[in-house]
Amino acid sequence: GAGVSQTPSNKVTEKGKYVELRCDPISGHTALYWYRQSLGQGPEFLIYFQGTGAADDSGLPNDRFFAVRPEGSVSTLKIQRTERGDSAVYLCASSPGTGERDEQYFGPGTRLTVT
Amino acid sequence: AQKITQTQPGMFVQEKEAVTLDCTYDTSDQSYGLFWYKQPSSGEMIFLIYQGSYDEQNATEGRYSLNFQKARKSANLVISASQLGDSAMYFCAMEVAGAGSYQLTFGKGTKLSVIP
Repeated sequence: GAGVSQTPSNKVTEKGKYVELRCDPISGHTALYWYRQSLGQGPEFLIYFQGTGAADDSGLPNDRFFAVRPEGSVSTLKIQRTERGDSAVYLCASSPGTGERDEQYFGPGTRLTVT
Repeated sequence: AQKITQTQPGMFVQEKEAVTLDCTYDTSDQSYGLFWYKQPSSGEMIFLIYQGSYDEQNATEGRYSLNFQKARKSANLVISASQLGDSAMYFCAMEVAGAGSYQLTFGKGTKLSVIP
């Protein structure tokens, strides 16, 4: 079946602009995660959705970052007033949502470059 | 807070040989899970193997095995019979159960290069 998809694959934007990154999880997966991976680092957790609600947003770095999942499927990560330090690969993952030992399936990521 | 340490930025292995990638972790929780992911140059994270903190046996998945030493807080990945396609970044990650979220905490990764 189809895996996790993310669009766009690459996004170049100017400092100060607003961007939206989209994630389509595996059908039927109730849990959805966003991670950010900077160059030479492992992914860092941003936010976790269980269904439509953000169950844990403790990883969002500041209030310029926001994410939604209005119908419990597709999620959008929104970044306002982008800064050069926001440049990274943004990874989305989904899992069945049955709890621990849930394998997270990752998408290919969106590479964001802020100039 | 949880922490994962991978002390090997890069490793080389001869094709068909076995290689061990090191991972140590730090947590005060008793219930947790340890994962290994592979990230090829394409960027996608591929799940390899999982070990639960209460699992008595070391996990194995095909050519991958996890050498879990709970007292030492280590969870090393062993890849047997290395293949050229194993060249990639490898990340160790931890999930802490019961925290309301199943977020993964990742290490910085080890770049494995398989030499023909």
